[in-house]
Amino acid sequence: KNQVEQSPQSLIILEGKNCTLQCNYTVSPFSNLRWYKQDTGRGPVSLTIMTFSENTKSNGRYTATLDADTKQSSLHITASQLSDSASYICVVSDHNDYKLSFGAGTTVTVRA
Amino acid sequence: EAGVVQSPRYKIIEKKQPVAFWCNPISGHNTLYWYRQNLGQGPELLIRYENEEAVDDSQLPKDRFSAERLKGVDSTLKIQPAELGDSAVYLCASSLAGGPSDTQYFGPGTRLTVL
Repeated sequence: KNQVEQSPQSLIILEGKNCTLQCNYTVSPFSNLRWYKQDTGRGPVSLTIMTFSENTKSNGRYTATLDADTKQSSLHITASQLSDSASYICVVSDHNDYKLSFGAGTTVTVRA
Repeated sequence: EAGVVQSPRYKIIEKKQPVAFWCNPISGHNTLYWYRQNLGQGPELLIRYENEEAVDDSQLPKDRFSAERLKGVDSTLKIQPAELGDSAVYLCASSLAGGPSDTQYFGPGTRLTVL
């Protein structure tokens, strides 16, 4: 069974600080990896997408990295803002299938 | 451009009662998905439609869940009868096509509470 594991489960950071979220996956064959942001009470919104050949992708203050050899990804948030408080979900696509494998998410709380 | 629209946003019912959720996907999106998201977990796929055809309903509990997508646009998901364990957020998503590279756009979800 394809799995996506995320860590930490939750974290609290002060406004302006940086943080890094981790994602390990076993999906194979791999197609792409996305990071989604899910605000409380809202649906997930795609932040970044990376294919096998890409090892970094940025979207504003969000930078995702991918190591397809070790099947690891990270999402780095720079100079956090209160609006970054959300759940961040790692989602991996199987190359042969449309199905997405979702991680359980990391809940980030940014405090003033 | 309007996003995926879902209604209602919240629903509270007693167990054994029926409930229905409605989804209007992004215009032009052929593929529609229904997911269930339990608290603290990622979404789990219930059913996927390509136009009006349900191409994957393997994870849909067919004894109590049903879905339809008439005319290949709007979709409804029904639970009858609801059980306590059905309490969750039901998310609808759509994409242009159903390939692994197609971005799925999610609606805000319907939060169901079964008492």
